[in-house]
Amino acid sequence: DIQMTQSPASLSASLGETVTIECRASEDIYSNLAWYQQKPGNSPQLLIYDANSLADGVPSRFSGSGSGTQYSLKINSLQSEDVASYFCQQYNNYPFTFGSGTKLEIK
Amino acid sequence: QVQLQQSGAELVKPGSSVKLSCKASGYTFTDYAMKWVKQRTGQGLEWIGVIDPEIDATAYNEKFKGKATLTADTSSNTAYMELSRLTSEDSAVYYCTRPSTVAAGWFAYWGQGTLVTVSS
Repeated sequence: DIQMTQSPASLSASLGETVTIECRASEDIYSNLAWYQQKPGNSPQLLIYDANSLADGVPSRFSGSGSGTQYSLKINSLQSEDVASYFCQQYNNYPFTFGSGTKLEIK
Repeated sequence: QVQLQQSGAELVKPGSSVKLSCKASGYTFTDYAMKWVKQRTGQGLEWIGVIDPEIDATAYNEKFKGKATLTADTSSNTAYMELSRLTSEDSAVYYCTRPSTVAAGWFAYWGQGTLVTVSS
């Protein structure tokens, strides 16, 4: 199975700041990577697919980048509604696997 | 619009089985595979498996073979997941999910989740 190592596990930032979450795959996943946001008590919601494509309805302050084994999610101009956990997921190989998540809080 | 409506929370005893449902609406049920995901409280997500309702084909994460059984009823547009020989490790929220396109590997649509609590 492909291991997805996500960092940091938690993050605290101020409103308006830019934050970056990283995800490293144990092997090349050829940009077959998605990012999800999960607010407390809710189901995960798709943010990014194919490493850098914004899902429908997702604000443009979210962006994804990377290739090979290294990927990142950037959130510009942090808003209060961005408080959530964020997960990466690879779909290059079965079984699809997820990162362990990053919990984002506002300072 | 696409909706996945899952069955309600379950409290079940160790060693028993439970069958969860996921009723799909807003699209042609047989056009898309349905995938299931497990999330233990405060922890990450695990892909359990997938069912193609059109041909009734399934594929499972090795970790969940023998634990989860996926089925689908095309007459009611409902997917099911049965979990057997339940232990405390099976206590979790289970989601059904659907990709945005037929070939997509990402999960665009999610049910609201079903909480399964295994306790005597």
